[in-house]
Amino acid sequence: AQSVTQLDSHVSVSEGTPVLLRCNYSSSYSPSLFWYVQHPNKGLQLLLKYTSAATLVKGINGFEAEFKKSETSFHLTKPSAHMSDAAEYFCVVSDQEGSTLGRLYFGRGTQLTVWP
Amino acid sequence: DSGVTQTPKHLITATGQRVTLRCSPRSGDLSVYWYQQSLDQGLQFLIQYYNGEERAKGNILERFSAQQFPDLHSELNLSSLELGDSALYFCASSVGPDSYEQYFGPGTRLTVT
Repeated sequence: AQSVTQLDSHVSVSEGTPVLLRCNYSSSYSPSLFWYVQHPNKGLQLLLKYTSAATLVKGINGFEAEFKKSETSFHLTKPSAHMSDAAEYFCVVSDQEGSTLGRLYFGRGTQLTVWP
Repeated sequence: DSGVTQTPKHLITATGQRVTLRCSPRSGDLSVYWYQQSLDQGLQFLIQYYNGEERAKGNILERFSAQQFPDLHSELNLSSLELGDSALYFCASSVGPDSYEQYFGPGTRLTVT
């Protein structure tokens, strides 16, 4: 079964400090993994994706994530937080094969607050 | 801007009523997906259409139905509305039938009073 666990429902950081949003997944097949961001009253925007190429994935706005198969993790990081990063972040898993190919399974989200 | 449009942005209606949400996919995309985002359940997949045919079903209630028209736009019909149906409804689109690379619209916020 496919599932995603975002380990923190809220993360608060000061502007200019590193960001770490944690995600663990389970998947019956080789997974594709994504991070989406949702700003208040906006739709979901794809930040980055892993689809079995390089395990360190770079996304937009300075974010990156590392796929660690042995730990079934896909944590999102950014070296230096900006005020505009304040939003809700979703970790998402999808199967690359099987009957649920292409289905997206969302974590419950992590609300990132950035303090000035 | 993802290229996916949804109307209306907001909808307020009473319990027992029926509403229709509309989605236009990105140009060239043949698949449309519907998702519900609520405080209780988080973001859940409801249903997918590909080129006019139902492709996959998720946690969609029997009171809800959808369809995709020849011009590829899609409508999600919600009937006998309950307070618990209040949520943000997202539409997403992709090129193929089994694509994880989906582009999301801005959503329709439904409030049932």
